[in-house]
Amino acid sequence: AQSVTQLDSQVPVFEEAPVELRCNYSSSVSVYLFWYVQYPNQGLQLLLKYLSGSTLVKGINGFEAEFNKSQTSFHLRKPSVHISDTAEYFCAVSSWAGGTSYGKLTFGQGTILTVHP
Amino acid sequence: DADVTQTPRNRITKTGKRIMLECSQTKGHDRMYWYRQDPGLGLQLIYYSFDVKDINKGEISDGYSVSRQAQAKFSLSLESAIPNQTALYFCATATGYSGNTIYFGEGSWLTVV
Repeated sequence: AQSVTQLDSQVPVFEEAPVELRCNYSSSVSVYLFWYVQYPNQGLQLLLKYLSGSTLVKGINGFEAEFNKSQTSFHLRKPSVHISDTAEYFCAVSSWAGGTSYGKLTFGQGTILTVHP
Repeated sequence: DADVTQTPRNRITKTGKRIMLECSQTKGHDRMYWYRQDPGLGLQLIYYSFDVKDINKGEISDGYSVSRQAQAKFSLSLESAIPNQTALYFCATATGYSGNTIYFGEGSWLTVV
């Protein structure tokens, strides 16, 4: 079984400030990790993903995330946010073994990021 | 045109009615999913299909059924809708490669009154 916990349901921040959205996961096997963003009245868009290799992953719109296996975390960061980053962000995990993904993506509860001027 | 198309985008239906949400994709992916989104709960998996003959229940399949009519089409049905099925429903597709990255449709708002 796999699960994802996003530690903050809402994160308010001022424009140009740094932000970190926290995500912890649990799985009995290896994982792929994802961050998705949902802008108001839209579907989900892939922000970035960790499959293997470097634990620091860079995504679109200046976001990055770091995979920490020992702490089972995959926190999302941006050094300077913009008003347009206001959205809901979802962390997700997909487990795999033997080189094959089990094919089920489990989502966290979401974090609403609100950027104030 | 969107790669993953859901119809209808919005629907209001009455309790007890049967409703079908349709999904079609042009990405050529073998895997298709239906998720439900409720505020504060994230997305929950209803059903998923790895090919036309392979359909699996997700976390919250009770009250729902699906049909994979072709590789590109995956429909979700509510046989007898109830108010707590009011939610935003997403269809999604994936391939077994690239870590099973999932691509979402734009969602279907369903209100059961």
